[in-house]
Amino acid sequence: EIVLTQSPGTLSLSPGERATLSCRASQSVSSSYLAWYQQKPGQAPRLLIYGASSRATGVPGRFSGSGSGTDFTLTISRLEPEDFAVYYCQQYGSSPFTFGPGTKVDVK
Amino acid sequence: EVQLVESGGGLVQPGGSLRLSCAASGFTFSSYSMNWVRQAPGKGLEWVSYISSTSSTIYYADSVKGRFTISRDNAKNSLDLQMNSLRVEDTALYYCARANGSGRYYFDYWGQGTLVTVSS
Repeated sequence: EIVLTQSPGTLSLSPGERATLSCRASQSVSSSYLAWYQQKPGQAPRLLIYGASSRATGVPGRFSGSGSGTDFTLTISRLEPEDFAVYYCQQYGSSPFTFGPGTKVDVK
Repeated sequence: EVQLVESGGGLVQPGGSLRLSCAASGFTFSSYSMNWVRQAPGKGLEWVSYISSTSSTIYYADSVKGRFTISRDNAKNSLDLQMNSLRVEDTALYYCARANGSGRYYFDYWGQGTLVTVSS
């Protein structure tokens, strides 16, 4: 099983600032089958990034993903008020399709 | 518009059973693999089970293997999760999620979830 670790657990930032979220895998994620999801309170998760760096339909350009192997990053270039949420990474290259524990981005 | 609507959740005693359903619309259901993902109250996401478009490939998380059974009816555009021998730790909001991609599948659409509470 591939274990995903996300850091930091909480990121306190102000609107307009840049957010950098990390996801580290216990073993290499094949072919960068790594996704990022955003979840707001009371809502279902929303796909942001797949294939480590491809933006899902309708996702704003301020969201970008990068990385390969065991180290991946989600970057939000300038935080908008609606971006304060919890972000999860997930590997979908091999079963079980594990999620990371999440990073909460909150308002400083 | 893609829609996934879960139902069937509720309160059940430990050791009991429950069957969840997910009604799909707005896309060709028979062409997509599907998943169940759960989220315990205040906790993170946990993948539960996967079923391919033709039901030929099925996976389960170790935590539910032998107790849960995933199935689908492509004629009815529906996905099910039969949950037996339920435990307190199965308490969670259960989401169905569509799998998309080529060869390996990310989860591009999610329902709003149905709540399962296992308690005496």
